[in-house]
Parts: sequence; C-alpha cells; structure tokens
Amino acid sequence: EMQLVESGGGLVKPGGSLRLSCAASGFTFSGSSMTWVRQAPGQGLEWVSSINSNSFSIFYAKSVKGRFTISRDNAKKSLSLQMDSLRAEDTAVYYCAKEGRALGAFDLWGQGTVVTVSS
Amino acid sequence: QSVLTQPPSASGTPGQGVSISCSGGSSNIGRNSLNWYQRLPGTAPKLLIFGDNQRPSGVPDRFSGSKSGTSASLAISGLQSEDEAEYFCAAWDDTLNAVLFGGGTKLTVL
Repeated sequence: EMQLVESGGGLVKPGGSLRLSCAASGFTFSGSSMTWVRQAPGQGLEWVSSINSNSFSIFYAKSVKGRFTISRDNAKKSLSLQMDSLRAEDTAVYYCAKEGRALGAFDLWGQGTVVTVSS
Repeated sequence: QSVLTQPPSASGTPGQGVSISCSGGSSNIGRNSLNWYQRLPGTAPKLLIFGDNQRPSGVPDRFSGSKSGTSASLAISGLQSEDEAEYFCAAWDDTLNAVLFGGGTKLTVL
C-alpha cells in the first residue's frame, strides 16, 4: 500500500525552527517528485515547496523562500522540510504529497502534521 | 500567491448536477494542466481530476473536468450527500515557478 507519514510538527515560538519529515512506502520514491502543501486554520490550501526526483529542481513559495529548505534522501525514502525563522502565519497543517502524472497533480497525500507558531 | 479564482460556495440537491469554476491566467491555466482536489472534513485532500479532464483510478465518472483558455470547470452529476466537501483547483504557474491553488469552493448538498 502506498503511504506517506509526516512527523515533526509541534509548538514553536516565533523565530524558532522545526524540521518536518515524511516517510514514504509502497511506491518508487526515487522516481517521484515530492511536495509540501499547508493549510492554515480556516484557510485554503497553499503550496509550500517542491523537489524533483534527483533534487536538481527545487521550488519555493514566495512566502517561505529563504526560510524553509526542502530536501530528500532517496536511500531512506524520506522527504524533509527544515523551517527556520518561523512566524505566526506559518501555523498550519503541513502535508507531504507525491506528484503524479501532471504538474500540480498530487496523487498521494500524508495525513498531515500540525505546526503551531506562538509565544 | 493564489491567483486562481473560485466561487466560495456552491450547492445542490441530491441527484442534481453542479459546476464549480476556476479562473486564472495565461501563465497558469492557459499554459498548464488544471487539477482538482476534494477535501472532506478532517481528511487530507484527494486528487479528483488531473491533466484538465483525467480521472485517477477509483474516482467515479460523476466527476468530470473541462478547460477552455484560462478557465476551467469541475462538473459533478447525480449529487450525493457524500460529495459535500471543499473543492480546490490547482495549476503550475510558469511565471511564478509555483503551484497555485484556488481559494476553494465549499459544496453543500441540501
């Protein structure tokens, strides 16, 4: 069964750091582009960052560029999101997702991990 | 960063059909595939339509997608109570080098 499991969420103070992880199983992780998407309370979905299969192409949303770093370890079938200089507006449920057969078509999602940035 | 526009709400009665629109621009919908997601309360989003009008395996054919120029639509026929959810469109934007999501449309089945 294809599965994505996020971990690493929690409560952090403004200006702090957090590292999210996503463990993949049941599909060829090394051949898949991966993405982080978040949903703030009462808001819609917001794309955060994407990384292609060999880490050569990486993209960030303007709102997180320079503060967040996406990375992957194909040997460990793991995706990460290092989040630094966190702000209250980064409070959200963070999902990792696998890109499917079209750009922006994420055909497998994790259950999400909650990040709360508050003093 | 969202420049895909959706109506905030839509509604219909069981058995009816409903359509949800998504409008964008030449750098996103006009140039790239449009995808639709369904988000049931308390669950992760689920891909409903990819590549403008393709259904992933397991998605009922009651759901269909279409696109013309810089606008797209998701049509749901034979509405069922379990279709009550939030629906999002998404597309890659060549200028921003980003995936854009629409603001979401909350569908109520009356």
